Amino acid sequence: DSGVTQTPKHLITATGQRVTLRCSPRSGDLSVYWYQQSLDQGLQFLIQYYNGEERAKGNILERFSAQQFPDLHSELNLSSLELGDSALYFCASSVAGVSTETQYFGPGTRLLVL
Amino acid sequence: GDSVTQMEGPVTLSEEAFLTINCTYTATGYPSLFWYVQYPGEGLQLLLKATKADDKGSNKGFEATYRKETTSFHLEKGSVQVSDSAVYFCALSDDDYKLSFGAGTTVTVRA
Repeated sequence: DSGVTQTPKHLITATGQRVTLRCSPRSGDLSVYWYQQSLDQGLQFLIQYYNGEERAKGNILERFSAQQFPDLHSELNLSSLELGDSALYFCASSVAGVSTETQYFGPGTRLLVL
Repeated sequence: GDSVTQMEGPVTLSEEAFLTINCTYTATGYPSLFWYVQYPGEGLQLLLKATKADDKGSNKGFEATYRKETTSFHLEKGSVQVSDSAVYFCALSDDDYKLSFGAGTTVTVRA
């Protein structure tokens, strides 16, 4: 158990819908990252937050947005969903968000868009 | 940009065989290098890491050495077990904080 929790574990929804994925980092970690894992794209970095502020952005679509709240949990919002958004979405956390640190991953949310 | 290339799988081995998974990287700075493992139905777990050249990471019998001259971080284990069956990811983290992952190598160990 990494100490990072993600809810829900599974999500099934329809095209055009909007969903919210939630992540709680390990106690004491200030930085949260979101990754997408799909068969065709592999593991792709989406976005990073540090202590409530966006720090880095990767291959995140405009239809996707995220935020980190004062209690440090984070939410990833996916809207106007398309079939191709079906993937495993991971959240990870680290203490200070620097390159030498280990990122601890949650169990993931499996999203299926029908 | 930063990128990681790792040996394509799948790799199938017998128990007690020697495992090596090749990983090479491209980075503009001085990255930290990681091996993560993903067991079926689970998230990624750190296996080992190295943060500077010539560092050796080791854990659970796995080893990898950060070779700056060959830009490599090959994973090795001398005697694999059935429980080592998983997907292994090589990754790097540079000044832009994120992890850049290789495509993953599926390893199956047969009894």
